[in-house]
Amino acid sequence: AQTVTQSQPEMSVQEAETVTLSCTYDTSENNYYLFWYKQPPSRQMILVIRQEAYKQQNATENRFSVNFQKAAKSFSLKISDSQLGDTAMYFCALGAGSQGNLIFGKGTKLSVKP
Amino acid sequence: GAGVSQTPSNKVTEKGKYVELRCDPISGHTALYWYRQSLGQGPEFLIYFQGTGAADDSGLPNDRFFAVRPEGSVSTLKIQRTERGDSAVYLCASSLTGRGTEAFFGQGTRLTVV
Repeated sequence: AQTVTQSQPEMSVQEAETVTLSCTYDTSENNYYLFWYKQPPSRQMILVIRQEAYKQQNATENRFSVNFQKAAKSFSLKISDSQLGDTAMYFCALGAGSQGNLIFGKGTKLSVKP
Repeated sequence: GAGVSQTPSNKVTEKGKYVELRCDPISGHTALYWYRQSLGQGPEFLIYFQGTGAADDSGLPNDRFFAVRPEGSVSTLKIQRTERGDSAVYLCASSLTGRGTEAFFGQGTRLTVV
């Protein structure tokens, strides 16, 4: 079975500081993809960052970067220079099937405080 | 429009009634997914279309749920004999080809069964 676990239901960070959100996953597949999605109150899921499992280099997108530890099946998201607009739910997701459907964790509610 | 569009945004229905939820994907995207998001949870996969055909409907909870995509574009999720437990946000996503490609989400339909 494929699972995604986010062990931090809520996190908070001061504006301009750095925060790390944790995610672990389980899959028996060798070739898969990992994603972090942001969901603001508007409900629309927005892709933050994407990692291909066969790539050793950690993905980065501006202030967002990941720490991908394949052997440990860990995929954490680091947000640098946090901004008020980063306040949202963050979901870690695994894409391991042949169809491309995603398995999501339960999410982490991030609050950025001024 | 440029993004995935879902209508209605909100739907309130009485227990036992039939509802239809519509998804208009990004033009040219062959892959389309439906997910269900209950309160405080991550989205859960329902069904995947590749073109006009349902390639994977393993996430549909029971035979009251059905989805179609007759022309390979717009999709409709149909729920018969609605139950209070069907109350959730129903999210639609599309991607260019499926596996590994970025999934773009709509804003979802919040279904409330009273």
